[in-house]
Amino acid sequence: EVQLVESGGALVQPGRSLRLSCAASGFKFDDYAMHWVRQAPGKGLEWVSSINWNGGSKVYAGSVKGRFTISRDNAKNSLYLQMNSLRAEDTALYHCAKDRYGGNPGFWFGPWGRGTLVTVSS
Amino acid sequence: DIVMTQSPDSLAVSLGERATINCKSSQSVLYSSNNKNYLAWYQQKPGQPPKLLIYWASTRESGVPDRFSGAGSGTDFTLTISSLQAEDVAVYYCQQYYSTPPTFGPGTKVDIK
Repeated sequence: EVQLVESGGALVQPGRSLRLSCAASGFKFDDYAMHWVRQAPGKGLEWVSSINWNGGSKVYAGSVKGRFTISRDNAKNSLYLQMNSLRAEDTALYHCAKDRYGGNPGFWFGPWGRGTLVTVSS
Repeated sequence: DIVMTQSPDSLAVSLGERATINCKSSQSVLYSSNNKNYLAWYQQKPGQPPKLLIYWASTRESGVPDRFSGAGSGTDFTLTISSLQAEDVAVYYCQQYYSTPPTFGPGTKVDIK
């Protein structure tokens, strides 16, 4: 069974940094692209970033480009999101998600982790 | 960016009755070279992460009950629950993956009448 478990969420002040992690199991991690998708409290879904199977290709939403960095460690079956210069509007539940297609992003998502909550507030 | 809209915002349906959700994209998500619509549907139950139901507009994900079906092409799509069950209470999202950034509709909340 595929399992994705996020961690690292916290309450942080605007302008600070945070690193999220996602531990994957139940599938061959380095065969799949991976994604971060966020959901502001009570709101809809917003794609944040994606990375291909070997980390050689990364894409970002315009709202986070230049501030967030996605990475992966295939030896540790782990996905990361380094979040810098955090803003109040980054407050959300951050889900990691496996790409349903394969090693290069097809950009549809399944399954998803339960998420880790990031709150940006002074 | 492709903008996704959904209607209605919410609906309440009696158990065993049909529920239909509409999704519209601001531009076509049909890729002519393979004749595939780059459209997915997700179900999100309260307190749970989204779950992939349908991709390529009409292909059910493994394990998804056959009362869920997707249809449509180009810019107009529907998700139908043929006989609503209590466990289907959720918010349903459509999503296009035709172009980057992938974008989601605002969601449709389905409840029991």
